[in-house]
Amino acid sequence: AAGVIQSPRHLIKEKRETATLKCYPIPRHDTVYWYQQGPGQDPQFLISFYEKMQSDKGSIPDRFSAQQFSDYHSELNMSSLELGDSALYFCASSLVGAGGRVYFGPGTRLTVL
Amino acid sequence: AQTVTQSQPEMSVQEAETVTLSCTYDTSENNYYLFWYKQPPSRQMILVIRQEAYKQQNATENRFSVNFQKAAKSFSLKISDSQLGDTAMYFCAYLIQGAQKLVFGQGTRLTINP
Repeated sequence: AAGVIQSPRHLIKEKRETATLKCYPIPRHDTVYWYQQGPGQDPQFLISFYEKMQSDKGSIPDRFSAQQFSDYHSELNMSSLELGDSALYFCASSLVGAGGRVYFGPGTRLTVL
Repeated sequence: AQTVTQSQPEMSVQEAETVTLSCTYDTSENNYYLFWYKQPPSRQMILVIRQEAYKQQNATENRFSVNFQKAAKSFSLKISDSQLGDTAMYFCAYLIQGAQKLVFGQGTRLTINP
């Protein structure tokens, strides 16, 4: 079965640079979630989209923005990167009304030097 | 605030034993889903088991089962006949029906010893 796809899987950036993370949800899923997980921490909710509209917003810095496109893929844009942004970024997807199952992608490991 | 609490930061059992991981949560909502996710060293987040809050019957997936106590807001995970491959971080989480935000607990690091 198709899973959530994230690209790139690994990304190395310098401080103050910009990064774009991409997420391709499971086909027919209408909801995308973004999470940030630091080492030894639980995943922290950043933002979610339902049917291409922003749904919920968590502790997402103002330097970050995200959107969901017409084909339901989503991108997380991160500017003015800081050392503390180094983390594993997960995208997840679900289908509203299909029993609440939320499936996660493999994550993008971002390292800021 | 809506929270999830996992009171056991670490647990360790011998292979083939049964282990139970605890989770409590706090929400004023009546309709929600509860989950256990497994995160092995690869750090992939794997959905282990899911429970719908309106269902009284406890969910079961092979060796994994839950004890869902809605009034007590408790959702424990039981792993029977534990295997070395069960070694991982386990996260409890919930999702309010109609919302798009999965709330996680702090995780329990489970080690299965040979």
